[in-house]
Amino acid sequence: SQQGEEDPQALSIQEGENATMNCSYKTSINNLQWYRQNSGRGLVHLILIRSNEREKHSGRLRVTLDTSKKSSSLLITASRAADTASYFCAPSRSGGGADGLTFGKGTHLIIQP
Amino acid sequence: DGGITQSPKYLFRKEGQNVTLSCEQNLNHDAMYWYRQDPGQGLRLIYYSQIVNDFQKGDIAEGYSVSREKKESFPLTVTSAQKNPTAFYLCASSIQVQETQYFGPGTRLLVL
Repeated sequence: SQQGEEDPQALSIQEGENATMNCSYKTSINNLQWYRQNSGRGLVHLILIRSNEREKHSGRLRVTLDTSKKSSSLLITASRAADTASYFCAPSRSGGGADGLTFGKGTHLIIQP
Repeated sequence: DGGITQSPKYLFRKEGQNVTLSCEQNLNHDAMYWYRQDPGQGLRLIYYSQIVNDFQKGDIAEGYSVSREKKESFPLTVTSAQKNPTAFYLCASSIQVQETQYFGPGTRLLVL
């Protein structure tokens, strides 16, 4: 399985600002998913972008995918205190891989009130 | 109320003891997964199952065992061979592999 690597490892911004985090991966993918984890909880799925898509929106979330650079970004606009969490990307390897998603260490986002 | 549940929330293990973590889903998903998360780290895949009566090792299967006798259930046993079992264990399911995963609330395992 391949692992996504999130960058930065930690990010602290003021409420109302936009937050951008990036993900890089190594091999071809079928799709890439972003998840959020609040402290001590399970992960919550945010958005899935397929390899033939370049951009996807969901509410205040915007995800881009650049397969030529093997990278993705997650933008959270107009951040709120409730967005404080860890964010993980999970690339899903192409080539018929039947394994689970592999998660990196995540970006820990702190929204300052 | 559809979802995925894990029990117990906290589990204590004595040295040399096997313990079993429960994972149940009523989402009618074929695929199920077990992950381990250590403090400040990402998730590492222990075992996954694409379909009932089938399961495969993940990246860190040593010291763990699973079964998939029913579609809705995927219990994980942490055996005495797992020398460092203290971690947060997460179970997930998806319609099929590589699709969106739905996670349970997790079980925190501590060694006495």
